[in-house]
Amino acid sequence: NAGVMQNPRHLVRRRGQEARLRCSPMKGHSHVYWYRQLPEEGLKFMVYLQKENIIDESGMPKERFSAEFPKEGPSILRIQQVVRGDSAAYFCASSPLDGRAVGYTFGSGTRLTVV
Amino acid sequence: DAKTTQPNSMESNEEEPVHLPCNHSTISGTDYIHWYRQLPSQGPEYVIHGLTSNVNNRMASLAIAEDRKSSTLILHRATLRDAAVYYCIRFSQGGSEKLVFGKGTKLTVNP
Repeated sequence: NAGVMQNPRHLVRRRGQEARLRCSPMKGHSHVYWYRQLPEEGLKFMVYLQKENIIDESGMPKERFSAEFPKEGPSILRIQQVVRGDSAAYFCASSPLDGRAVGYTFGSGTRLTVV
Repeated sequence: DAKTTQPNSMESNEEEPVHLPCNHSTISGTDYIHWYRQLPSQGPEYVIHGLTSNVNNRMASLAIAEDRKSSTLILHRATLRDAAVYYCIRFSQGGSEKLVFGKGTKLTVNP
C-alpha cells in the first residue's frame, strides 16, 4: 500500500527553465493538496485539486505557476520560467473524500533548486 | 485559518512523556483537531486527530479538554526520533478542507 509518491525527489533547474513536479496520491484518494516550504520557513498552502478540477488555488502565485490533476495519471505542479526565489521544498498531500475526518497523508517532497 | 496557539519550543528527555499543548479557544462544536509533525528534512506526517473524545493510536494520544478550547498531544515515551516540529490545526466543518499550518512547536529531545 504505497503512500503519496512524489517525483523527482530533487530537481535542479536553471533560471528561465520549466519545472514539473509530480504527485501520485494514495490509492483511493481523490483529493490532492500542494504546499511550498521556503528554506527556514513554514509550510504554505498553494492549491487544492480534485480529479479534473481546481477547488482552491488561493495560495498559488498569480503568474508562472499552474497545477492539474487529470482523470488519469498524477497531479502536476508546473512552474514556468523559474527564478531563484522558487527554490524550495514542494510537498503534496492527499486525502479521501473529506480529509478532515480521517487525516491527510503527505509525500516526501520535491526539493527544487534553481541555479 | 489555523486559529490555534502553541508554544514555540519545548524540551524533553528521552524515554519521558511529553505533553504538547494547543489552545483553540474559538473552536466550534463541529471542528476537528489535527496534529501533524515534520521531522528535519522530511515531509509532514499525520500524527492523530479528534473531535470531542480523547483518542489513542500507535503514535500518540490526544486529550481534548471538556470545553474543547484546548487539547494536548501526548507522546508516552519520547525518543530521539520524535524530535520534530509539531503542528496543531483546527478544521472548521463548514470551511475549507485545506490544512493551514502555523509555526508549530519545535520539540527537542535530549538523550
